[in-house]
Parts: sequence; C-alpha cells; structure tokens
Amino acid sequence: DIQMTQSPSSLSASVGDKVTITCRASQTISSYLNWYQHKPGKAPKLLIYVASNLQSGVPSRFSGSGSGTHFTLTITSLQPEDFATYYCQQSYTTPWTFGQGTKVEIK
Amino acid sequence: QVQLVQSGAEVRKPGSSVKVSCKASGGTLSGSGISWVRQAPGQGLEWVGLIIPIFGTINYAQNFQGRVTLTADESTNTVYMELSSLRSDDTAVYFCARAFYDSRDYYYMDVWGQGTTVAVSS
Repeated sequence: DIQMTQSPSSLSASVGDKVTITCRASQTISSYLNWYQHKPGKAPKLLIYVASNLQSGVPSRFSGSGSGTHFTLTITSLQPEDFATYYCQQSYTTPWTFGQGTKVEIK
Repeated sequence: QVQLVQSGAEVRKPGSSVKVSCKASGGTLSGSGISWVRQAPGQGLEWVGLIIPIFGTINYAQNFQGRVTLTADESTNTVYMELSSLRSDDTAVYFCARAFYDSRDYYYMDVWGQGTTVAVSS
C-alpha cells in the first residue's frame, strides 16, 4: 500500500496567517493527490483535486502544488472558518490511502 | 446537483453485521463510483472500499477484506456497504462519497453523504 505522510500533525495559527501543509507519498503517485477539509460532525469537503485544481466553490486562498511524491496545501490569509483538520489522499492505485491529518487550531 | 443520503445510525453487538445504504438524489450514479470512508472516534479518515457499477469494479482495503461487501442497485441509485463480524473497533462514522473520475482516470471524492454512525457494543 502507498503510505501518505503529512506534516505537521497539528499547528496553531492566527487569522490572517499563511499556512502550509506538506504531504509525502511513499512512492510516486504522479498528480493523483487530493486534499480534503474535515470539521467535527460534518462530512469531509473536497478542496483540491489532481494536486492543484481548486474544487468549484472553494475560496481562492486555498491552493495545492506538487507531483511525484511531494505535495503541499497552502492557505493564504487563514480565516476563522478554516480551522479544521486537513487530509491528503492518493487515488493513484487502490487501496486509496489518506494521510494521518493535520489539525489547524487557533493560536 | 447530486446529493448522497445515507441510512440512519445503527447499534450492533459484536459478531453481528450491519448494512448501510447510500442513495443518490438529484442525479444518478451512472458514470461514477461510490467510495466508503470511515472515521473512528479520535482517529483520522480510513478508506474502506470502492465500487464502480458501470465497470463492475469493486476494491476493498486490506483491513476489511473478507468482512466488507459493497453492492449497487442501479435501478434505485443506491449503494450498500455491509460489514460483518463486527468488533468494538468498528465503531465509527461511515461516509459514502461519489468517486468522480475524468477522462484521464483521475479520481476524487467530490460529493459526500452525511455519515452514518455505527456503534458496536455488547
């Protein structure tokens, strides 16, 4: 199975900060990488698909980059509604796998 | 816009089975797959499996091999996940999600059900 490793596991940030989350795959996955936002009691929400494509309706302060084994999710100017847990997920091959999550908390 | 509506919460005893449904409304499942993901209390997201009816494709995560069965009823736009030999550590919220794929075979989960809580307790 392809292992997905996110860093950091958690971070504290203030409204208006720029946040970068990293995701590494244990083998090359081309651009088969998606990012999700998950809030307690809600369904996960797709933010970025195919590494760098912004899902419809997602604010432009979210962006994704990378290919191969190294990917990043960047949130410019963090907003109060962005405090959540973020997951990367590979769809290069089954079994699909998620990173362990990065919890973004209020500083 | 398609929405996915899941069946209600379930309580089961260890060793029993549970079957959760995921119905597409406002559209069809034709041309897409349905993936299942779970989140146990205090844990991250865990992929359970994928069914793509139009291709006859079904894949399961190794952790669930032999215990999970995904089926689809295309006439009612409903997909089912049945998990057997339940254990206490199967207690989780189970989500279904549309596995959209494009012409380049990129897959992503763009529409999610509301989640179904399955509690396993004696």
